[in-house]
Amino acid sequence: NAGVTQTPKFRILKIGQSMTLQCTQDMNHNYMYWYRQDPGMGLKLIYYSVGAGITDKGEVPNGYNVSRSTTEDFPLRLELAAPSQTSVYFCASSPNRGGTGELFFGEGSRLTVL
Amino acid sequence: QQQVKQSPQSLIVQKGGISIINCAYENTAFDYFPWYQQFPGKGPALLIAIRPDVSEKKEGRFTISFNKSAKQFSLHIMDSQPGDSATYFCALGKGGSEKLVFGKGTKLTVNP
Repeated sequence: NAGVTQTPKFRILKIGQSMTLQCTQDMNHNYMYWYRQDPGMGLKLIYYSVGAGITDKGEVPNGYNVSRSTTEDFPLRLELAAPSQTSVYFCASSPNRGGTGELFFGEGSRLTVL
Repeated sequence: QQQVKQSPQSLIVQKGGISIINCAYENTAFDYFPWYQQFPGKGPALLIAIRPDVSEKKEGRFTISFNKSAKQFSLHIMDSQPGDSATYFCALGKGGSEKLVFGKGTKLTVNP
């Protein structure tokens, strides 16, 4: 029962570097999301996708890009990393059963930008 | 602008006590209200959710109370246990999109 798998779990980047956070799900969910979690700030939606080939911006998309070429995968690209992108990133998926409120989250990727 | 205000930020309760976490919102377009539980080092997981057509939903020791006119909802944890120690998030959702708006979270500590 893999669910939502995120890699890497930890990463340290230097300012200006780029990287991709990987996310894959094996539940055949159409909807996928990227959230970032900062201490005391809850979770903020970065990007989401309602199906392969369709993506849209969330609340805090600046500095990030996504793609969705398959149902299973939803990578998050960080270009020109900045200290403000230090955070814990969570990928999630949902089956979109008409508004159940249930997202299935991965275990997170902790990113530090120095 | 913060769409959902969650309080308190942290809460310490003795084993067997009642834990109460509150959330308030403004936008009446939201039509479902889930609560998520997050343990350290893990992703959040759905705990319980409610729709505005009911005023209360109970699942085991966990109860959501919903006050539509006051635009407030709360999570009650009865007979709190040390294993309930976690961070709890309320959220707002609109039917169909599953794009949830999360509160800032409440760190609950249940002392043995």
